[in-house]
Amino acid sequence: GESVGLHLPTLSVQEGDNSIINCAYSNSASDYFIWYKQESGKGPQFIIDIRSNMDKRQGQRVTVLLNKTVKHLSLQIAATQPGDSAVYFCAENLYTSKLTFGKGITLSVRP
Amino acid sequence: EADIYQTPRYLVIGTGKKITLECSQTMGHDKMYWYQQDPGMELHLIHYSYGVNSTEKGDLSSESTVSRIRTEHFPLTLESARPSHTSQYLCASSGGLRQYFGPGTRLTVT
Repeated sequence: GESVGLHLPTLSVQEGDNSIINCAYSNSASDYFIWYKQESGKGPQFIIDIRSNMDKRQGQRVTVLLNKTVKHLSLQIAATQPGDSAVYFCAENLYTSKLTFGKGITLSVRP
Repeated sequence: EADIYQTPRYLVIGTGKKITLECSQTMGHDKMYWYQQDPGMELHLIHYSYGVNSTEKGDLSSESTVSRIRTEHFPLTLESARPSHTSQYLCASSGGLRQYFGPGTRLTVT
């Protein structure tokens, strides 16, 4: 079946550096992708989303890139801050209103 | 921020007890979801609803049941809790594709 996977389970970055979190998806027909941030003891919080007819979308300090050729999604965080430390999830939608989530990747920011 | 609420936030209960996890949203969203999540792991969809009186089982088999009598309310019930039900339960709602999550209920069955 369809799956969304993350390449690495953990990522450690220096405060102030840029972070890049990668995600692979397996279904080329997926039409919507979304990134969530989950802090300890909380529910996932929306970061940014992108539809399949776009390659790039920018938010505040975050950018999502979609490469449909290789079925790859990435989240870039500029000037990473300690408050960015969390588990990040990507998810995809395939026509229905149900999201398929990948395994989380932990972002750890070093002071 | 999304207005979606879950109670209780934490629950420790003995085996065999019946429990109901509450989820309410004030955004008027038609679609609501329940996910089960182990620490640091992905979310698994266990139930969803596209509107009042509509409920479906999700991708992960669950012994829980749900009901949707009102748009804003989507409770989840376990008739007889077991230690294997120990997990975090997350409720979400959406008006489109973006889902908004509640804070979760951490359930521990002893």
